[in-house]
Amino acid sequence: NAGVTQTPKFQVLKTGQSMTLQCAQDMNHNSMYWYRQDPGMGLRLIYYSASEGTTDKGEVPNGYNVSRLNKREFSLRLESAAPSQTSVYFCASSEEPRSYEQYFGPGTRLTVT
Amino acid sequence: GQSLEQPSEVTAVEGAIVQINCTYQTSGFYGLSWYQQHDGGAPTFLSYNGLDGLEETGRFSSFLSRSDSYGYLLLQELQMKDSASYFCAVRDRDNYGQNFVFGPGTRLSVLP
Repeated sequence: NAGVTQTPKFQVLKTGQSMTLQCAQDMNHNSMYWYRQDPGMGLRLIYYSASEGTTDKGEVPNGYNVSRLNKREFSLRLESAAPSQTSVYFCASSEEPRSYEQYFGPGTRLTVT
Repeated sequence: GQSLEQPSEVTAVEGAIVQINCTYQTSGFYGLSWYQQHDGGAPTFLSYNGLDGLEETGRFSSFLSRSDSYGYLLLQELQMKDSASYFCAVRDRDNYGQNFVFGPGTRLSVLP
């Protein structure tokens, strides 16, 4: 039981490049989330998917797109990376949309130069 | 919308007790959660309070007062491995409480 997995672990991009962060969970959870965490700050929600087939914007969605590929997988795409998107990105899942416990992946450390 | 406040840093010695406070402003409230995050690691769930009072889980306890919009995490018998950041989080009333808003985090340093 791997829990929540994310790839890649580290990535360096140049301004204007695009990339997709991958996330998968094997806990049969309905809800999945993407957060970003900047140094010394809490987690800010980018997008979430309450259930398979649905996605909604969170607090900081600009510059990102998401795809809920199936129940297991939820990807985050940066179409044209900017230095302001340098951050650590965490994917999380929960059993239901209103579950109070979320399970987090190990994170992707992204640097945009 | 929601906003949460936590102290930025707390320092304590091994074996001591420390309390990390969290105050929140919310247009709707679905409960207060606490997460722990070690440097370079992922957040992990610690506890949840949906109702007023104290919840105890081993060395950790969490308290909630909904009338005061206030909660705290209490860590007893501190160990070096407790050095980490601690985040409180509330459910956002928007979108029917389907996502969390996290506080800025409190960095706990445990000294020998």
